[in-house]
Amino acid sequence: DQQVKQNSPSLSVQEGRISILNCDYTNSMFDYFLWYKKYPAEGPTFLISISSIKDKNEDGRFTVFLNKSAKHLSLHIVPSQPGDSAVYFCAASATNDYKLSFGAGTTVTVRA
Amino acid sequence: EAGVTQSPTHLIKTRGQQATLRCSPISGHTSVYWYQQALGLGLQFLLWYDEGEERNRGNFPPRFSGRQFPNYSSELNVNALELEDSALYLCASSVTTGSNTEAFFGQGTRLTVV
Repeated sequence: DQQVKQNSPSLSVQEGRISILNCDYTNSMFDYFLWYKKYPAEGPTFLISISSIKDKNEDGRFTVFLNKSAKHLSLHIVPSQPGDSAVYFCAASATNDYKLSFGAGTTVTVRA
Repeated sequence: EAGVTQSPTHLIKTRGQQATLRCSPISGHTSVYWYQQALGLGLQFLLWYDEGEERNRGNFPPRFSGRQFPNYSSELNVNALELEDSALYLCASSVTTGSNTEAFFGQGTRLTVV
């Protein structure tokens, strides 16, 4: 039962443009959402998170938007850089059940 | 400050054998999580340990087990290995403060079952 879904397996974007990654979830108990970035043969690296009490969180080039009514979140990367080419995982957890449920990942390729 | 460390980085086992994977969390972190990433798939939750106890378990057979030691390090044991157990096994740690927080991952152990 996939409670976190990333329906786009891949995304190709030109350097300097915006990358938008989408994520949907089904479990209404989720109240904390995270994005991780993963390079091949490495563990995922935490990027940014958002609590359900917010609808936006920004950290440098990365902004996460949360739409609770739609059970949808997105990650915006502006501007995209070649080093951003990686697999991006959306994850979610619920209060008192801190294990992370992950989406299947979106592979981002930034073209020069 | 040292991050999450996992050993070994690579492990090759024969079908039917047992594999033991180890994880040392970030200092001060009491929660350890284990995930499996099979080829082409996302991260599947295996186990969560906190303060030495198993807090939650993913949808995996009982031959996947583990434990957490008093120093908060953890072991993942996989018995009766099957070919489909070949995957990257990732360990993550986090503080447990009563509220959600991010987990930090190790580099993973690449298990190959032949």
